Amino acid sequence: SQQGEEDPQALSIQEGENATMNCSYKTSINNLQWYRQNSGRGLVHLILIRSNEREKHSGRLRVTLDTSKKSSSLLITASRAADTASYFCAMEGSNYKLTFGKGTLLTVNP
Amino acid sequence: DAMVIQNPRYQVTQFGKPVTLSCSQTLNHNVMYWYQQKSSQAPKLLFHYYDKDFNNEADTPDNFQSRRPNTSFCFLDIRSPGLGDAAMYLCATSKGGEKDDNEQFFGPGTRLTVL
Repeated sequence: SQQGEEDPQALSIQEGENATMNCSYKTSINNLQWYRQNSGRGLVHLILIRSNEREKHSGRLRVTLDTSKKSSSLLITASRAADTASYFCAMEGSNYKLTFGKGTLLTVNP
Repeated sequence: DAMVIQNPRYQVTQFGKPVTLSCSQTLNHNVMYWYQQKSSQAPKLLFHYYDKDFNNEADTPDNFQSRRPNTSFCFLDIRSPGLGDAAMYLCATSKGGEKDDNEQFFGPGTRLTVL
């Protein structure tokens, strides 16, 4: 299946530190997206990187994509307590469908 | 504000008693999705509509059905809920245009409890 694997499953850091989450997938993709989910809530789209792109920035977020290794990383710089959430990578294949990774639970301690 | 709305936010039903969850959108998006998410797991796609075209995932149980009477509304029907169907149900939409730029917009979810 296309389901992604995320690493680490859980990450705990101090406010101000950077957080890096990794995602690996198995088959070809149209794009890869990252979503954030606060506890018990819906998902919020963070950033999309197309299959022909290698790096993308949005505010404190930096995403890389290596299609040869079928992997992506999400870097959150200068983390804040409000960044505490679960982060999911999601691969878009055919027919507008997303397949989500298992997620990384990020805890930012004040 | 344009948004995806799910009702109710919390639903309690009894084992075997049919339940319907609803989703509406003001984004005028072509595609609507239903996901099931169990505790500490990834969202799992159940089915999606491109306009009126229904796309069922191969491993979605027959117990789950969906209706999309118009662009704005989509319903998830669980015909005979079992204890294993207790989960968060997420509705999402996307434009359905360029395949390289198709982010999804999620509703807040409906938490289903089966007694």
